[in-house]
Amino acid sequence: ETGVTQTPRHLVMGMTNKKSLKCEQHLGHNAMYWYKQSAKKPLELMFVYSLEERVENNSVPSRFSPECPNSSHLFLHLHTLQPEDSALYLCASSQDGSNYGYTFGSGTRLTVV
Amino acid sequence: TQLLEQSPQFLSIQEGENLTVYCNSSSVFSSLQWYRQEPGEGPVLLVTVVTGGEVKKLKRLTFQFGDARKDSSLHITAAQTGDTGLYLCAGVRQAGTALIFGKGTTLSVSS
Repeated sequence: ETGVTQTPRHLVMGMTNKKSLKCEQHLGHNAMYWYKQSAKKPLELMFVYSLEERVENNSVPSRFSPECPNSSHLFLHLHTLQPEDSALYLCASSQDGSNYGYTFGSGTRLTVV
Repeated sequence: TQLLEQSPQFLSIQEGENLTVYCNSSSVFSSLQWYRQEPGEGPVLLVTVVTGGEVKKLKRLTFQFGDARKDSSLHITAAQTGDTGLYLCAGVRQAGTALIFGKGTTLSVSS
């Protein structure tokens, strides 16, 4: 596989569930990102990892917990979410920062019921 | 307050028409990027502009970065139905920081 792969593509979870989103990049990039995309809002940066170290956390609620075990994999662990957390969650990767652009995955469409 | 304002928010045109969408800010960016996103997919990078006044062409798409590096435009000539999608501009404020996105322009091209 090439590019950035996200699984699952769709997820429905209850407010008391625990689930994880997975992202894998096969591009040899050294930075990975989680963004949240909601209707009528711009993409919101959630977490940034550079060389497997978290470098930016945009005041995201603690019910979202990221994990980056190596430069190719990124996870977003979810627990006790709220209905307003329903959105498209996008993973992206880049090489040497943002100036050369990001490669995005297809996203996970999350619905919290 | 939105750091990057895109206009128009929605645009519906006929095949063959020309159009321009805008991305404006009161802040200076070290670079601006344009992405296109189709339903159910992630955004795909179209172009990066770095130098003030820079113009880049990608087939029927022309991208311009403002002289002051605060704004950008995307012009599409002779639009096709395949151009339908959400067009996002994104900027880098300074080296080492993540991209900031605008809300996007939703373009619908009908035959």
